[in-house]
Amino acid sequence: DTAVSQTPKYLVTQMGNDKSIKCEQNLGHDTMYWYKQDSKKFLKIMFSYNNKELIINETVPNRFSPKSPDKAHLNLHINSLELGDSAVYFCASSQVGQDRSYEQYFGPGTRLTVT
Amino acid sequence: LAKTTQPISMDSYEGQEVNITCSHNNIATNDYITWYQQFPSQGPRFIIQGYKTKVTNEVASLFIPADRKSSTLSLPRVSLSDTAVYYCLLTGFQKLVFGTGTRLLVSP
Repeated sequence: DTAVSQTPKYLVTQMGNDKSIKCEQNLGHDTMYWYKQDSKKFLKIMFSYNNKELIINETVPNRFSPKSPDKAHLNLHINSLELGDSAVYFCASSQVGQDRSYEQYFGPGTRLTVT
Repeated sequence: LAKTTQPISMDSYEGQEVNITCSHNNIATNDYITWYQQFPSQGPRFIIQGYKTKVTNEVASLFIPADRKSSTLSLPRVSLSDTAVYYCLLTGFQKLVFGTGTRLLVSP
């Protein structure tokens, strides 16, 4: 059973389009994340949701909007796609321990290519 | 926002011990130090996490000095399958900072 799954795995689209990436985790975790990994392999946190509430919102264009319908899902919607949005997007989840230590489980990634 | 610094790349041979050091001079009191491994076309995978002193699990050891301004990931007897990018991560409440990653190449 896949712990953290993302769909689609590959996404090719044109500039200006709107697209969504879906993420689901079956680990019962209370926190989910979206990361962006660019061509230089820098991995940056974009958003974090804890129990459906936004707790981390890094400097990300407001064209990116996360949606968490429930604890097991965190979708990423992107409006008006730009060439610079091309990257691999990873979803992750974790269970935050009382001592703030936590292990994150990452999905397989969605490679977004904007043409 | 605290940053981490790692060597860009390291080379090793099968069977050797590999030590990767991460610098985090501005680590906060509540921050934990976590290391992840990433293979091409895959998501990062948790290796080990610690707060201070030494932590050991079945795949690695993590050494953290008393001042916590750096940490060293130790991989005993690496194999070809350990070729990957290793990230040092500071994890604190509402703060997640990945390092630039160290590309480890293990040769026969």
